[in-house]
Amino acid sequence: EDKVVQSPLSLVVHEGDTVTLNCSYEVTNFRSLLWYKQEKKAPTFLFMLTSSGIEKKSGRLSSILDKKELSSILNITATQTGDSAIYLCAVVNDYKLSFGAGTTVTVRA
Amino acid sequence: GAGVSQTPSNKVTEKGKYVELRCDPISGHTALYWYRQSLGQGPEFLIYFQGTGAADDSGLPNDRFFAVRPEGSVSTLKIQRTERGDSAVYLCASSLLAGGLYTGELFFGEGSRLTVL
Repeated sequence: EDKVVQSPLSLVVHEGDTVTLNCSYEVTNFRSLLWYKQEKKAPTFLFMLTSSGIEKKSGRLSSILDKKELSSILNITATQTGDSAIYLCAVVNDYKLSFGAGTTVTVRA
Repeated sequence: GAGVSQTPSNKVTEKGKYVELRCDPISGHTALYWYRQSLGQGPEFLIYFQGTGAADDSGLPNDRFFAVRPEGSVSTLKIQRTERGDSAVYLCASSLLAGGLYTGELFFGEGSRLTVL
């Protein structure tokens, strides 16, 4: 059975801090790893990673995949209160996404 | 439509009742997914449609759950004899092709929150 584990489960930071979220996985027929942000209901897409060692970057967010270690990290620098959300990691196995439980990030002003 | 639309947004029902949740995907999207998300958990895969057929229903928890997509567009998730443990947010997502998933183009609806009393 595919397994995706995220850590920490939750964290609280102050505006301006940097956070690092972790995702590890065990999956057959790995195709890609995706990060989503979920603020209320619908998860919104952040990144897709397929190649090991290549960083994807979008503004203050960045992510990298380590296929050897079967893991990925998501970094958020200079956090803002609008970054408060659940961050979900998902692994694509053929056509299906398997999600981790998510990391709840709370950014305090 | 502009995005994936799900109705109702909230549904409260009593234990033992029958429930239908509807998903209207983005126009032209051939792949449609249902996920279930309980509090404090990530979305859990239920079923995947490619066109009209259920290509993978391995995530449906038991035979009380059933989903259809008769014309390859709108899908309905049906839950019979609801139980309190069925309470969750039911998310629908669509993509252009199964292959479209590899570009991250899986679009989620806002979900239907089901509460079984």
